[in-house]
Amino acid sequence: DTAVSQTPKYLVTQMGNDKSIKCEQNLGHDTMYWYKQDSKKFLKIMFSYNNKELIINETVPNRFSPKSPDKAHLNLHINSLELGDSAVYFCASRAAGTGSYEQYFGPGTRLTVT
Amino acid sequence: GNSVTQMEGPVTLSEEAFLTINCTYTATGYPSLFWYVQYPGEGLQLLLKATKADDKGSNKGFEATYRKETTSFHLEKGSVQVSDSAVYFCALDDRDDKIIFGKGTRLHILP
Repeated sequence: DTAVSQTPKYLVTQMGNDKSIKCEQNLGHDTMYWYKQDSKKFLKIMFSYNNKELIINETVPNRFSPKSPDKAHLNLHINSLELGDSAVYFCASRAAGTGSYEQYFGPGTRLTVT
Repeated sequence: GNSVTQMEGPVTLSEEAFLTINCTYTATGYPSLFWYVQYPGEGLQLLLKATKADDKGSNKGFEATYRKETTSFHLEKGSVQVSDSAVYFCALDDRDDKIIFGKGTRLHILP
């Protein structure tokens, strides 16, 4: 069974469109994340939710809005897509609390804005 | 704030060569340290971790030792294989529900 899944795997769209990426984890984790990875492989954290509550909101354009309907799901909605939004977006989850709990990553969604 | 610095790549080695990827960190307290690996077209997966000073994490022939005195967590492997070609990320637990990742080091292994 896939621990952290994302859909779609590839997303090609035009500038100005609105799109969503979905993420689900079946690990029973309380904390979920969205990361953006650019072409140089640099990972930037965007958001973190703990039990449906937003706890990390890095400097991200407000065109990006996360939504967590329940603790197993964290979706990312992007309005008015721009060329610079092209990247790979990763969802991740982690057990609650601090310590040696690693993050589990999804396979990524490659977003291409034309 | 907390940060992780790792050597820039790409690193290109021949099969069976010895590998070292350097990683140093800046942190208050005693963070847990991780190495993640990202194979082409995939997400990141945990390679190994260490939770306290002098701990050695190991997996798949890779090792890293938590050195508090030098604030380092260098990744080593005695004999690399073509299948080890990937991007490697050093990371620390920020103890604030966040993991701080380094910029990644791309590794190419030539047959």
